[in-house]
Amino acid sequence: QVHLVEAGGGVVQPGKSLRLSCAASGFTFSSYAMQWVRQSPGKGLEWVAVISDDGNNKYYAESVRGRFTISRDNSKNTISLQMNSLNPDDTAVYFCGKERGRHGGDTLGYSDYWGQGTLVTVSS
Amino acid sequence: QVVLTQSPSASASLGASVKLTCTLSSGHSHYNIAWHQKQPEKGPRLLMKLDSDGSYIRGDGIPNRFSGSSSGAERHLTISSLQSEDEADYYCQTWITGGRIFGGGTKLTVL
Repeated sequence: QVHLVEAGGGVVQPGKSLRLSCAASGFTFSSYAMQWVRQSPGKGLEWVAVISDDGNNKYYAESVRGRFTISRDNSKNTISLQMNSLNPDDTAVYFCGKERGRHGGDTLGYSDYWGQGTLVTVSS
Repeated sequence: QVVLTQSPSASASLGASVKLTCTLSSGHSHYNIAWHQKQPEKGPRLLMKLDSDGSYIRGDGIPNRFSGSSSGAERHLTISSLQSEDEADYYCQTWITGGRIFGGGTKLTVL
């Protein structure tokens, strides 16, 4: 069955960097787009970034564009989220999701499976 | 820009039915959406993909107590025979090239 496991969360000071990873299993990883979504304390779900099946197409929320980078390694069935210049507003649980589609575009752009999340706390 | 609007809260009694609504912004009534359930301390769970024509496909393992329907710009999630474990936050979500958009979520309380 599909299994997604996020890792890499922790406490980090403002302005610093952190790298999250998501290990996937149970499906043909290289055939699906993958995304990151976050939930800040007491708030709703917020989309962060999506990457196409081949890694060539990447899209970001305006709130993280230029600071976060999504990437994938299809040989290791993992995606990553490199987060730079973190600020307290980035404090959240970060979830990775397998998308139903391939391209990260306007077709089947929703996740049919999600991980359990990893907590990132940005605080001095 | 597509905006999804949800009521912040809803409540219904154990064993009853409840209908949650997600409204697409003007000009976007043809968009398909997905409904996700979010319980505390758990990852989101896909409930269904719901098309503008009212057809829907449930996620893996989702019981048929969960159904969907569409009317114009409104997308509905109906949960019948409410159980205590249905108490959760429910989010609608749609997609465009370059982004995914979530509604603000509806907190469902089972009385």
